[in-house]
Amino acid sequence: AQSVTQLGSHVSVSEGALVLLRCNYSSSVPPYLFWYVQYPNKGLQLLLKYTSAATLVKGINGFEAEFKKSETSFHLTKPSAHMSDAAEYFCAVSFSYGGATNKLIFGTGTLLAVQP
Amino acid sequence: EAGVAQSPRYKIIEKRQSVAFWCNPISGHATLYWYQQILGQGPKLLIQFQNNGVVDDSQLPKDRFSAERLKGVDSTLKIQPAKLEDSAVYLCASSLDSETSLREQYFGPGTRLTVT
Repeated sequence: AQSVTQLGSHVSVSEGALVLLRCNYSSSVPPYLFWYVQYPNKGLQLLLKYTSAATLVKGINGFEAEFKKSETSFHLTKPSAHMSDAAEYFCAVSFSYGGATNKLIFGTGTLLAVQP
Repeated sequence: EAGVAQSPRYKIIEKRQSVAFWCNPISGHATLYWYQQILGQGPKLLIQFQNNGVVDDSQLPKDRFSAERLKGVDSTLKIQPAKLEDSAVYLCASSLDSETSLREQYFGPGTRLTVT
């Protein structure tokens, strides 16, 4: 069965510091992986997605993630945090199940705080 | 392009009352999803429509929840009667289709339901 685990429900970094949000997945088939961001009282917005074309994926707002099959990981990074990055981040895996395709399974989320 | 619209944005009801949420997906999007996001958790898929047909409702509590998408465009999710544990944000999302698990899902702002 497909699942996603996000380590650390809360992460706090200083402005300008490296951001690292961890995501590990479990999938019996080659996964499609996504990172979404959710700002307060807003819907989820896609940051980036892994499509099997390249293991290092670049997304919006300077974020990137690297797919590592050997570690079953898809960690999200940003070299330098900005105050506007404070939000909740969700890792998700997409797969087909029965007659339903494009089914997203989300992790429990990581709340990122950026300190001035 | 207009995003996914949801209403109301907030709703407070007493347990055992009924409530309905409305969603209008992005124009031309054939697939529509309803998610439940309980505080501190990632979104959980309740039901997936392809046009006006149900593709997956395996996680929908059918004794109290119902959803319809009669004309294959907008959709309504209903809870009757509501329980305290239904307090959550209900997110609607849409995608162009569900042919592939790579299709990006676009999320609305959600409806925050509080059951007292």
